[in-house]
Amino acid sequence: EPEVTQTPSHQVTQMGQEVILRCVPISNHLYFYWYRQILGQKVEFLVSFYNNEISEKSEIFDDQFSVERPDGSNFTLKIRSTKLEDSAMYFCASSTVSNTEAFFGQGTRLTVV
Amino acid sequence: AQSVTQPDIHITVSEGASLELRCNYSYGATPYLFWYVQSPGQGLQLLLKYFSGDTLVQGIKGFEAEFKRSQSSFNLRKPSVHWSDAAEYFCAVGARQAGTALIFGKGTTLSVSS
Repeated sequence: EPEVTQTPSHQVTQMGQEVILRCVPISNHLYFYWYRQILGQKVEFLVSFYNNEISEKSEIFDDQFSVERPDGSNFTLKIRSTKLEDSAMYFCASSTVSNTEAFFGQGTRLTVV
Repeated sequence: AQSVTQPDIHITVSEGASLELRCNYSYGATPYLFWYVQSPGQGLQLLLKYFSGDTLVQGIKGFEAEFKRSQSSFNLRKPSVHWSDAAEYFCAVGARQAGTALIFGKGTTLSVSS
């Protein structure tokens, strides 16, 4: 069964460092998403991406965040200068163009120290 | 405001007993509704979805959910719970259009006692 894969599963970084979280969406999906879940809180939408452009973004997705599809298979989330409050589980998801049914990856747990 | 409320933070059910997890939503457009399950250390797995049509939808692992527009609810049910169902369950609402955000509830943690 096709699935969304994310790497790494866990990343520890020092405050102020840049991190890149990677995702391989399902191959025939054209919409890509990032969500995050701070420990003990609900899953929150960050951004959606289609046709090499941001489709929608939330208030959380400020200038320190960026997304990119560097090649035909990967989709990345970059956090330029990490803060302690960026510590969270980050989920990548993808969907077809038909509707908003999203398939999620296993997540990357980011710990900022 | 658009929101999803899952009133029960934690529920414990005996193995073999029935289960109902509550979800209420507030959404301005026609809602597309989802239930996801998250086992410890795992990602979000889609259990079932409601887009339109029959208001009782069947999902994987023996789960079902009923959409009640008048009550703005989409409760998840299972007639007989198994120990492996212990996990966190999230209700989510979104629009039909791809690329739009899903809005999640805070989740309900299900424990199963033997």
